[in-house]
Amino acid sequence: ETGVTQTPRHLVMGMTNKKSLKCEQHLGHNAMYWYKQSAKKPLELMFVYNFKEQTENNSVPSRFSPECPNSSHLFLHLHTLQPEDSALYLCASSRGVGSEEQYFGPGTRLTVT
Amino acid sequence: DQQVKQNSPSLSVQEGRISILNCDYTNSMFDYFLWYKKYPAEGPTFLISISSIKDKNEDGRFTVFLNKSAKHLSLHIVPSQPGDSAVYFCAASDFTQGGSEKLVFGKGTKLTVNP
Repeated sequence: ETGVTQTPRHLVMGMTNKKSLKCEQHLGHNAMYWYKQSAKKPLELMFVYNFKEQTENNSVPSRFSPECPNSSHLFLHLHTLQPEDSALYLCASSRGVGSEEQYFGPGTRLTVT
Repeated sequence: DQQVKQNSPSLSVQEGRISILNCDYTNSMFDYFLWYKKYPAEGPTFLISISSIKDKNEDGRFTVFLNKSAKHLSLHIVPSQPGDSAVYFCAASDFTQGGSEKLVFGKGTKLTVNP
């Protein structure tokens, strides 16, 4: 238990659906991240939020839309995804963006059909 | 192009022996390195780190060695235990174009420790 929770753990959606992934951290951290892990690829950073403000968008397509209403919660809104977007989506948090140690949630396994 | 490389996708060792996981990097500007461990159905958990001003950091059974001239680091686990069986990710600290610090990960090495 790392103090970072993610729901749902598994999600299957069609290309025309709209869904959201949720992340919550109970660590009092100020920075939150979304990562994507595709099969046989390294973890790829998608978004960084620091004190609820987005500080990084790593060239992520607009069909992925993050939302950070407060420092404890992070959402990833999904719409009109493609099958190649199927992957494990991991949320992480850290004390600040300068803090190298990040705490990860268990991830959401997303399948786009 | 991958900046952090873990060239061995898997490693199998006997319980009680040493496990050595290797990692190479290409960016000489990286100055902080981390190892994460990941069990199935869980997110990665931080294991140990090392700053580029050091060449060794030890924490219990885990030791990380850094060879800056070779751009190589390794994680040693002694003695290996069956509970160490997991995927190990090497990561390096870098900065994004926006100035945020980010971690660049390798693909991971799956370690299996046999009883």
